[in-house]
Amino acid sequence: DSGVTQTPKHLITATGQRVTLRCSPRSGDLSVYWYQQSLDQGLQFLIQYYNGEERAKGNILERFSAQQFPDLHSELNLSSLELGDSALYFCASSVQDGGYGYTFGSGTRLTVV
Amino acid sequence: GESVGLHLPTLSVQEGDNSIINCAYSNSASDYFIWYKQESGKGPQFIIDIRSNMDKRQGQRVTVLLNKTVKHLSLQIAATQPGDSAVYFCAENLSGGSNYKLTFGKGTLLTVNP
Repeated sequence: DSGVTQTPKHLITATGQRVTLRCSPRSGDLSVYWYQQSLDQGLQFLIQYYNGEERAKGNILERFSAQQFPDLHSELNLSSLELGDSALYFCASSVQDGGYGYTFGSGTRLTVV
Repeated sequence: GESVGLHLPTLSVQEGDNSIINCAYSNSASDYFIWYKQESGKGPQFIIDIRSNMDKRQGQRVTVLLNKTVKHLSLQIAATQPGDSAVYFCAENLSGGSNYKLTFGKGTLLTVNP
């Protein structure tokens, strides 16, 4: 157990729908990062939050959004889902506002049918 | 395109042999590199890291070598065990700015044969 908790582990939904993925960082970690992992694109950085504020954005679609709450948990919202959004979505956390020593959760596998 | 890439997508070794996984990076300004191991059904797990002011760093059964001249990174696993079977990713980080995201390579699948 890495200490980073992601729920749900698996999610199957239809095209056009909206889902929310949840991440609880390791105790004491202030930064949360979201990554998408697909077979053809590998691990792609989506977005980072630090202590409730957005810090960096990567290749995140406009249909996707995220936030970090006062208790430091984070949610990734995916809307108007398409078949191509099927992927593993990972959350990682770190103590500082930096990329050193990420700890990843076990991911949410999203299948869009 | 990808800033970090791998020479070999798959590597098969015999148990007890040493494994070498290679990685090329293109951003000469990157100053921090990490190797991750990802087992089936799990998230990436930190193995070892190295900063750009170092050429070599050793951990338990693992060694990372950094050659900044040719922008090449390698992970050496000594006495490879079946439990080492996984996908290995290298990642680079460019610090000094406000964006500390890691850029990952596509991964190498290591298979250890008993």
